[in-house]
Amino acid sequence: DQQVKQNSPSLSVQEGRISILNCDYTNSMFDYFLWYKKYPAEGPTFLISISSIKDKNEDGRFTVFLNKSAKHLSLHIVPSQPGDSAVYFCAVCRTDSWGKFQFGAGTQVVVTP
Amino acid sequence: DAGVTQSPTHLIKTRGQQVTLRCSPKSGHDTVSWYQQALGQGPQFIFQYYEEEERQRGNFPDRFSGHQFPNYSSELNVNALLLGDSALYLCASSSQYYEQYFGPGTRLTVT
Repeated sequence: DQQVKQNSPSLSVQEGRISILNCDYTNSMFDYFLWYKKYPAEGPTFLISISSIKDKNEDGRFTVFLNKSAKHLSLHIVPSQPGDSAVYFCAVCRTDSWGKFQFGAGTQVVVTP
Repeated sequence: DAGVTQSPTHLIKTRGQQVTLRCSPKSGHDTVSWYQQALGQGPQFIFQYYEEEERQRGNFPDRFSGHQFPNYSSELNVNALLLGDSALYLCASSSQYYEQYFGPGTRLTVT
């Protein structure tokens, strides 16, 4: 039962432009949401998170938006840089069972010069 | 700080055998979680250890078991290996209610 879906397996974007990654979840009980970035041969690296009491969180070039009614979150990267080329995973969890993260299948981002 | 370390990096086993994977958490972290990542998929939660006990478990059979030691390091054991157990096994550590830090993973191939 796939409770977290990233429907775009890949995304190609020009350097300097905006990258928008999307993630949908099915269970309204999830109340904490995260984005991880993964390079080949490395483990996922935490990028940014948001709790369900907010609808936006910003950290430098990265902004996460949460639409609870649509059960949808997105990650905006502005401006995109070549070093951003990686696989991006969204993850969700319930704070009453902290640490039991459920991940989407990931989106491969390629930033071209 | 070495971060989360895992051993071995790669492992090849035969169907029916047993395997043990090891994880050392990031300094200061007391909680270890294990994930299985199949090719083209996101990581799937196996279980989590805190204070040497299994605190949470995902939808994995009893063939998957674990242990946490007093120094917070952890082992993942898989018995009666199946071809479908071939995957990248990721260990993540955290300090209670903070974000998880992942190790590089152990690539297990079952033939």
